[in-house]
Amino acid sequence: DVKVTQSSRYLVKRTGEKVFLECVQDMDHENMFWYRQDPGLGLRLIYFSYDVKMKEKGDIPEGYSVSREKKERFSLILESASTNQTSMYLCASSLTDSTSYGYTFGSGTRLTVV
Amino acid sequence: GEDVEQSLFLSVREGDSSVINCTYTDSSSTYLYWYKQEPGAGLQLLTYIFSNMDMKQDQRLTVLLNKKDKHLSLRIADTQTGDSAIYFCAENRGGSYIPTFGRGTSLIVHP
Repeated sequence: DVKVTQSSRYLVKRTGEKVFLECVQDMDHENMFWYRQDPGLGLRLIYFSYDVKMKEKGDIPEGYSVSREKKERFSLILESASTNQTSMYLCASSLTDSTSYGYTFGSGTRLTVV
Repeated sequence: GEDVEQSLFLSVREGDSSVINCTYTDSSSTYLYWYKQEPGAGLQLLTYIFSNMDMKQDQRLTVLLNKKDKHLSLRIADTQTGDSAIYFCAENRGGSYIPTFGRGTSLIVHP
């Protein structure tokens, strides 16, 4: 069964901490994405990557950075966590050469910043 | 306004049909999608329809596409309590491989 795996389901961090959210996919997908999901706001794209070492800003990149050193792994970094980054974070991947470009999502990481 | 619009809530009785509606803005979108998110989980691709189709059926699911009105709907026949979830409509604008999502419709199924 193909999968996108996010390393943590729940995280609690303190304001100002550096936070790493990890995502690994085993489907050899070129594209990987990080979204945050907040009630009433739906999904908002933070960053995406279409190849190793490549990254593009999404709609809300401020306060975040990403790293993609290997094709299967895409990390989201909160340089200095703040309370307004408390959210559900979703990782996804997709194939570029696909009939539908549909996403496969991970189960999500619920981050609380206190 | 939003690019992809959906109503936020829908409540149905178990056994009835559910119809979740969505409007989108980009007539050049080649694919339109429905994703399902169960509580505490990520999104799961439920079905998709190519823009040259009017309808797609898959067991209890029927997707209808009206390109003229840029309207997409998802019908779930014989709705069960296990269908309770948030349903997201999405389009890939301009053929992009990055979908634009609606805010999601929470489907509540009651006995």
